[in-house]
Amino acid sequence: KAGVTQTPRYLIKTRGQQVTLSCSPISGHRSVSWYQQTPGQGLQFLFEYFSETQRNKGNFPGRFSGRQFSNSRSEMNVSTLELGDSALYLCASSFGRGIGTGELFFGEGSRLTVL
Amino acid sequence: GQQVMQIPQYQHVQEGEDFTTYCNSSTTLSNIQWYKQRPGGHPVFLIQLVKSGEVKKQKRLTFQFGEAKKNSSLHITATQTTDVGTYFCAGRGNTDKLIFGTGTRLQVFP
Repeated sequence: KAGVTQTPRYLIKTRGQQVTLSCSPISGHRSVSWYQQTPGQGLQFLFEYFSETQRNKGNFPGRFSGRQFSNSRSEMNVSTLELGDSALYLCASSFGRGIGTGELFFGEGSRLTVL
Repeated sequence: GQQVMQIPQYQHVQEGEDFTTYCNSSTTLSNIQWYKQRPGGHPVFLIQLVKSGEVKKQKRLTFQFGEAKKNSSLHITATQTTDVGTYFCAGRGNTDKLIFGTGTRLQVFP
């Protein structure tokens, strides 16, 4: 069974640009969550999608957005990039959601560098 | 909002010594999960605790969920170099979000 796939793995952008990251969950998983990981802030929750609907959202500005498609694949977009957006963006999938969620399966992450 | 803190932030131990990381939530949790992230890797699920006072063991690892369901701990007996990594707890509170703790980085010297 293939794991969670994130693309691209590495990317470099400049301030003001926008970026789109993609996540393909494990087959059969309907929930996708996104986290931002930085050395100083740890793993910060961005959002959670289930059945194409955003179920939860973290405390990030509106520049951060996402969506989920009917095949459960998810994308997140960051517009007007700032230097502080440099981070590892992790996607995680699970079969259920909410209290019924079991373990999260993480992808390898997309490492974004903003210059 | 819900916050999950872990202590210590870093721990360096000699191989064979024990290690414990503590996780404290600002709110009552419905369940708590633990993950391990090796250097350069991604978080990997270790275990989930649901019941108040629950204790689970995985070989040298012992996980505990507090009676008030606001704290948890992970204890590793006789650490090995393969235990190196960052250990995260993650709790789900009344907001239904899975919030990760700040993590404890474990370094084991041979």
